[in-house]
Amino acid sequence: EPEVTQTPSHQVTQMGQEVILRCVPISNHLYFYWYRQILGQKVEFLVSFYNNEISEKSEIFDDQFSVERPDGSNFTLKIRSTKLEDSAMYFCASGRQENGYTFGSGTRLTVV
Amino acid sequence: ILNVEQSPQSLHVQEGDSTNFTCSFPSSNFYALHWYRWETAKSPEALFVMTLNGDEKKKGRISATLNTKEGYSYLYIKGSQPEDSATYLCALKPSGNTPLVFGKGTRLSVIA
Repeated sequence: EPEVTQTPSHQVTQMGQEVILRCVPISNHLYFYWYRQILGQKVEFLVSFYNNEISEKSEIFDDQFSVERPDGSNFTLKIRSTKLEDSAMYFCASGRQENGYTFGSGTRLTVV
Repeated sequence: ILNVEQSPQSLHVQEGDSTNFTCSFPSSNFYALHWYRWETAKSPEALFVMTLNGDEKKKGRISATLNTKEGYSYLYIKGSQPEDSATYLCALKPSGNTPLVFGKGTRLSVIA
C-alpha cells in the first residue's frame, strides 16, 4: 500500500538554527499538508498546499515557516530560526481529494 | 475557533471488553468527520470518513456512528484486543476546502 514517508524520524537542533523537514507524498496525490503536535496537546494544522501554492495556512505558520515542492516529489517544511516552542512532532499528509488524507509517521523535532 | 472534544482522555479496559468513546463538535460547522487510529511511532491510520447524519461505518471489530444534528460521533470497539491499544483521534472538516480540526484523542490501553 502506498505510504507517505518522512525524514528524518527525529531531529535535534540548536535554538536559532534552520531545519528542513522532508516528506515524500503519495505520487498521484494533489493535496499536501503539514500538521504538528506539541507533546500533550492537540494535532494542529499548519499549512495546506495545492497546485504548487499554499492554499491555506494557520496563524502558527508565520514568517519563520515556509513550504516547497522543489522537484515534484518532495514536499518540505523549512523552519528558519527554530525556537524552543517549535519542539513537536511534525506530520506530513497527502490526499487525492480534499476529503482523504494519508499521514506520514512524523518527524520529532527537538529544539535545545 | 472551532473546538473538537474527545472523551474520555484515556481509557483502560480488559481484553475482551467492549468499549466506546465520544467525539463532539459544533453541529453548525460540519462537512465531514474523520476517525484515525494512531499507534506510537507510526502514521495515524485512517479508520473512517463520515459525512451523512445517521451514518454507521464498520471495519472489523471497530464501528462508528454519526449524529450531525447534535454534533457527536461514537467509536465502538467490540471485544478489545491488546493490539487495539492506541490513541484514537477524531477530526472535523468544517467545509470542503478547510483543513481538519483535531480533537485531543482518546488513549486506549487494552490489558491482557
